[in-house]
Amino acid sequence: QQPVQSPQAVILREGEDAVINCSSSKALYSVHWYRQKHGEAPVFLMILLKGGEQKGHEKISASFNEKKQQSSLYLTASQLSYSGTYFCGTAMEYGNKLVFGAGTILRVKS
Amino acid sequence: DVKVTQSSRYLVKRTGEKVFLECVQDMDHENMFWYRQDPGLGLRLIYFSYDVKMKEKGDIPEGYSVSREKKERFSLILESASTNQTSMYLCASKLGDRDNSPLHFGNGTRLTVT
Repeated sequence: QQPVQSPQAVILREGEDAVINCSSSKALYSVHWYRQKHGEAPVFLMILLKGGEQKGHEKISASFNEKKQQSSLYLTASQLSYSGTYFCGTAMEYGNKLVFGAGTILRVKS
Repeated sequence: DVKVTQSSRYLVKRTGEKVFLECVQDMDHENMFWYRQDPGLGLRLIYFSYDVKMKEKGDIPEGYSVSREKKERFSLILESASTNQTSMYLCASKLGDRDNSPLHFGNGTRLTVT
């Protein structure tokens, strides 16, 4: 079942923060986050496994709340280069195929 | 760096034609995938393969087939193209057998069926 991402789109000014959520109605084993810039391939950001760990990648970090079956992606002090579409992919078992959300369009303005 | 190469960036085909989309990866990955990307629907899995000559259906396999004769190459076949198959097609690969390594995507093939 496809995870639900929110918001669908967000516009920021440089330096502002944003949170993108990814929710599932079923128990999750892992959550993957990818960013796709216009006309390019999706690029891997990070994987989170059940256990509620938080990971970081430069000024982008994420958490995984196992009880809520939700992951959140945090973008702090946003830069123009953060613009793109962010996808979460979820797996219910180890090594299971990923099911992706519909994506969140992020636009950072100067 | 892993490189996943899709043979065509843009394709225009007529309804009823047989269409081949080719994908090659250069990092000896066991797993390869074909996704379809449509606005508002995200990435939907069509087929995937864990090994040469092995294939499994994804979430939307109808109207598609695949071929994996060599480890580095995974082909998506539209037996008789239809207008509802107009879309962006993304190939991906990943290391390992059913582990949680990341997906590496190609740049995509935008297919238009007229």
